[in-house]
Amino acid sequence: DSGVTQTPKHLITATGQRVTLRCSPRSGDLSVYWYQQSLDQGLQFLIQYYNGEERAKGNILERFSAQQFPDLHSELNLSSLELGDSALYFCASSAVGGTYNEQFFGPGTRLTVL
Amino acid sequence: QQQVKQSPQSLIVQKGGISIINCAYENTAFDYFPWYQQFPGKGPALLIAIRPDVSEKKEGRFTISFNKSAKQFSLHIMDSQPGDSATYFCAASLNTDKLIFGTGTRLQVFP
Repeated sequence: DSGVTQTPKHLITATGQRVTLRCSPRSGDLSVYWYQQSLDQGLQFLIQYYNGEERAKGNILERFSAQQFPDLHSELNLSSLELGDSALYFCASSAVGGTYNEQFFGPGTRLTVL
Repeated sequence: QQQVKQSPQSLIVQKGGISIINCAYENTAFDYFPWYQQFPGKGPALLIAIRPDVSEKKEGRFTISFNKSAKQFSLHIMDSQPGDSATYFCAASLNTDKLIFGTGTRLQVFP
């Protein structure tokens, strides 16, 4: 168990809908990263937050957004969903300032768009 | 320049054998190279990691070999066990930036 929690575990929804994925980082970790894992694209970085502030953006679609709250949990919002958004979504957390950029991943949310 | 290339795509090894997975990178500024293990339906789990000032790091049956001049690094799993059957990802990062992952290697260890 990495100490990172994600809810829900599974999400099934229809095209055009909006969903919210939630992540709680390990205790004390200030940095949260979101990744998407699909069969054709592999593990791709979406966005990073550090202590409530957006720190870096990857190949994140404009239909997607995220935020990190004062208690450090993070939410990834996916809107106007398309079939191609079906994937596993992982969040990872790290203790920024350590010797290594050790990122610990949660169990993921499997999103299925029908 | 941001890519990490991983090979082979799949690997079949007999129990007790050595599994070797290779990765290559382009960006010489990368300063952290982890390996992750992922079982079906689970999140990637950090296995072992190395920084470029070290040529080898060993933890139990897992060893990373790092060749800075060739911009390559590899994971060696000694005495491979059926429980090691999983997908392995190499990755690279700069400072506390995002991890850039290789495409993954599916390892199957047969008894």
